[in-house]
Amino acid sequence: AQKVTQAQTEISVVEKEDVTLDCVYETRDTTYYLFWYKQPPSGELVFLIRRNSFDEQNEISGRYSWNFQKSTSSFNFTITASQVVDSAVYFCALGPTQGGSEKLVFGKGTKLTVNP
Amino acid sequence: ETGVTQTPRHLVMGMTNKKSLKCEQHLGHNAMYWYKQSAKKPLELMFVYNFKEQTENNSVPSRFSPECPNSSHLFLHLHTLQPEDSALYLCASSPEGTGIYNEQFFGPGTRLTVL
Repeated sequence: AQKVTQAQTEISVVEKEDVTLDCVYETRDTTYYLFWYKQPPSGELVFLIRRNSFDEQNEISGRYSWNFQKSTSSFNFTITASQVVDSAVYFCALGPTQGGSEKLVFGKGTKLTVNP
Repeated sequence: ETGVTQTPRHLVMGMTNKKSLKCEQHLGHNAMYWYKQSAKKPLELMFVYNFKEQTENNSVPSRFSPECPNSSHLFLHLHTLQPEDSALYLCASSPEGTGIYNEQFFGPGTRLTVL
């Protein structure tokens, strides 16, 4: 069975602090995709990143960085120098690469509040 | 309009009502999805349509009835709902119908309250 665990339900930081959101996944698939989505108060989920299980290189995009550790089944997300606009719920998700299934398994999300 | 739009944004209905949620995507995508987001629960996939054909029904009760008349429009017909069906219903679309490696673009959701 596939499962995504985001152990941190809520995190609160002060602006300019760095913050890491944890994501641990379980799957029996040998290949898979991992995703992060951001859900601001407006409701729509915004795609942030997709990572193929073959690619274990860490990725940096501006203030965002992702640390993929296949050995520990983790795909953590770090925001550097956080800003108030980063306040949102962040979801980690896992999806298959084969079988034609579009089924993404989402974690419960981590609510991040960045205070000024 | 651009992106994925959903109407209405908020809906309150009684258990005996019939209502419909509408989703429209202006991205030229071929796959559309309905998700349910309940408080303190993971996002749950409900239905998937590829090129207007339903390819996934994730054991959703029959009181939820999807309809996809074309690749740009997706409806969710609601009938005889229960209070536990209260949730945020999100619609999404993606470019191709066969690969989740294509990112999904989400609408803002419809906040449904069943009294």
